[in-house]
Amino acid sequence: GAGVSQSPSNKVTEKGKDVELRCDPISGHTALYWYRQRLGQGLEFLIYFQGNSAPDKSGLPSDRFSAERTGESVSTLTIQRTQQEDSAVYLCASSFVPGSYGYTFGSGTRLTVV
Amino acid sequence: QKEVEQDPGPLSVPEGAIVSLNCTYSNSAFQYFMWYRQYSRKGPELLMYTYSSGNKEDGRFTAQVDKSSKYISLFIRDSQPSDSATYLCAMKSVQGAQKLVFGQGTRLTINP
Repeated sequence: GAGVSQSPSNKVTEKGKDVELRCDPISGHTALYWYRQRLGQGLEFLIYFQGNSAPDKSGLPSDRFSAERTGESVSTLTIQRTQQEDSAVYLCASSFVPGSYGYTFGSGTRLTVV
Repeated sequence: QKEVEQDPGPLSVPEGAIVSLNCTYSNSAFQYFMWYRQYSRKGPELLMYTYSSGNKEDGRFTAQVDKSSKYISLFIRDSQPSDSATYLCAMKSVQGAQKLVFGQGTRLTINP
């Protein structure tokens, strides 16, 4: 597609359940990033993929968070045993080359844990 | 202390005014500086980027970087209601990770 696609756009889940968030980057973009944006806050880096490897996963908040990427395509962010503090917008971005400032962001998945 | 500080606002100005948005930072390794615009329920979009110190102009937008003061600014001239959005500054170091470090964002409203 023309842009970065994320699904679902909204997700409400019960505390303790697992959730999967999906990101389809722009075709040909080798680098993929996940960020989290809490209400009224800036973006927090979670993880960076180059191809299907993750050279930097330093932003993942806990071992409940994991992510994978298939080749240079779809990425899935999984949150296990969700907590209320996980409520946020999860944004995915991709870029043609790693380190490029020219990220293209998706519209995000708004996660609410009740 | 956060690496990047940005006044969250909200900031409300009349149409046609000059808007000044600012960020300060503490990490002297930052070399690349960006401004993103984020409309409600959308992802951020890149507006401006600068490398090291100096000014960069693009239409009604001007970005300034003062590395000696660790201070960056975005000016919007002849502001329009369509400029109403949240503006986020972001920065990264040359040798650092691929991640960007973002400010909190300033919510701006331009009143017709």
